[in-house]
Amino acid sequence: ILNVEQSPQSLHVQEGDSTNFTCSFPSSNFYALHWYRWETAKSPEALFVMTLNGDEKKKGRISATLNTKEGYSYLYIKGSQPEDSATYLCARDTGRRALTFGSGTRLQVQP
Amino acid sequence: GAGVSQSPSNKVTEKGKDVELRCDPISGHTALYWYRQSLGQGLEFLIYFQGNSAPDKSGLPSDRFSAERTGGSVSTLTIQRTQQEDSAVYLCASSPSQETQYFGPGTRLLVL
Repeated sequence: ILNVEQSPQSLHVQEGDSTNFTCSFPSSNFYALHWYRWETAKSPEALFVMTLNGDEKKKGRISATLNTKEGYSYLYIKGSQPEDSATYLCARDTGRRALTFGSGTRLQVQP
Repeated sequence: GAGVSQSPSNKVTEKGKDVELRCDPISGHTALYWYRQSLGQGLEFLIYFQGNSAPDKSGLPSDRFSAERTGGSVSTLTIQRTQQEDSAVYLCASSPSQETQYFGPGTRLLVL
């Protein structure tokens, strides 16, 4: 992996479904992995900053895991709601502060 | 408290004109960043200011782009002789230290 890659590119689910996305990144020079949620016409909102291999973080119905050795992170949403509709971005942080973002996963939750 | 603010929220300009985009970071945040998102692309780093240190300009795409941060607070991103490929959403972020970056709502720039 040379760049930050996210999959899928887009996702449509029904209200109440649980879903997950993947962020893959180069495992070298790892400092942190950031997750953001970006709703249309709003500012990107920070969800998690993950630094330790095996780390798992949770915020309400959203959780994330991190594997720094193999270079991936999963974001899970349990019981999706329409208000979860947004683009979810991950970003690699090598410690030099310039984040490298993936292209995002666009989630649409149908009521 | 107040978040990061940016102005203008939208800017339409003609090719060849200069534009200035403004960012007001969260009070007390020492670090300030500029990113942009072009159509169909991911967020791309442009420049980073940390306190009184020399800025990291490694992401600026050409010498038509410049930025300054006055008094360790407000920042202005200037694009000279704009080109159509400069059309993008320009986002500013600030952070208190080496942690979460808090983003503003962005300036949507359209170069005709």
